Amino acid sequence: DVKVTQSSRYLVKRTGEKVFLECVQDMDHENMFWYRQDPGLGLRLIYFSYDVKMKEKGDIPEGYSVSREKKERFSLILESASTNQTSMYLCASMPGHNSGANVLTFGAGSRLTVL
Amino acid sequence: AQKVTQAQTEISVVEKEDVTLDCVYETRDTTYYLFWYKQPPSGELVFLIRRNSFDEQNEISGRYSWNFQKSTSSFNFTITASQVVDSAVYFCALSEANYGQNFVFGPGTRLSVLP
Repeated sequence: DVKVTQSSRYLVKRTGEKVFLECVQDMDHENMFWYRQDPGLGLRLIYFSYDVKMKEKGDIPEGYSVSREKKERFSLILESASTNQTSMYLCASMPGHNSGANVLTFGAGSRLTVL
Repeated sequence: AQKVTQAQTEISVVEKEDVTLDCVYETRDTTYYLFWYKQPPSGELVFLIRRNSFDEQNEISGRYSWNFQKSTSSFNFTITASQVVDSAVYFCALSEANYGQNFVFGPGTRLSVLP
């Protein structure tokens, strides 16, 4: 069964801590995404990557950075966590353009609480 | 700018009732894709359907059906004879054509199906 796996389902961090959220996909997808989900706001794109070492800012990149050193892994980094980054974080992947299938496959999410 | 509106924040129905989830979208593109995703309590968004803007045929899949009307910019989702397992948050989404990587999600509708 194909999967997008997020390493941590629940995290509790303190303000100012550096936070790493890891995402791994086993579908050989070119594209990977990080979304943030908040009640009433739906999903908002933080960053996406269309290839190894390539990244593009989404709608709300401030306070976040990403790393994609390998095709299957896309990491979201909070350099200095703040309370307003308490949220559900969703990773997703999607095949490359040649597949013609622009359908996102999501992980189960990582719920981050910053105290 | 693209926008997706799901006016119903929460809906509660009793098992076996039919329920329709509304989705209204805005886009200047003439070609685009529309999607529905289901997010059960486990957290992982599950793909339900993708519809190309050129294809206005309604679709039925078991108890699920979708009504796409370009004239009203709507892509509504109906569950017939609802079941408790249908309880979830449902998201409508829009993406640009030509294999767009830019997805715009609605705020979601939380459906509770009571036994």
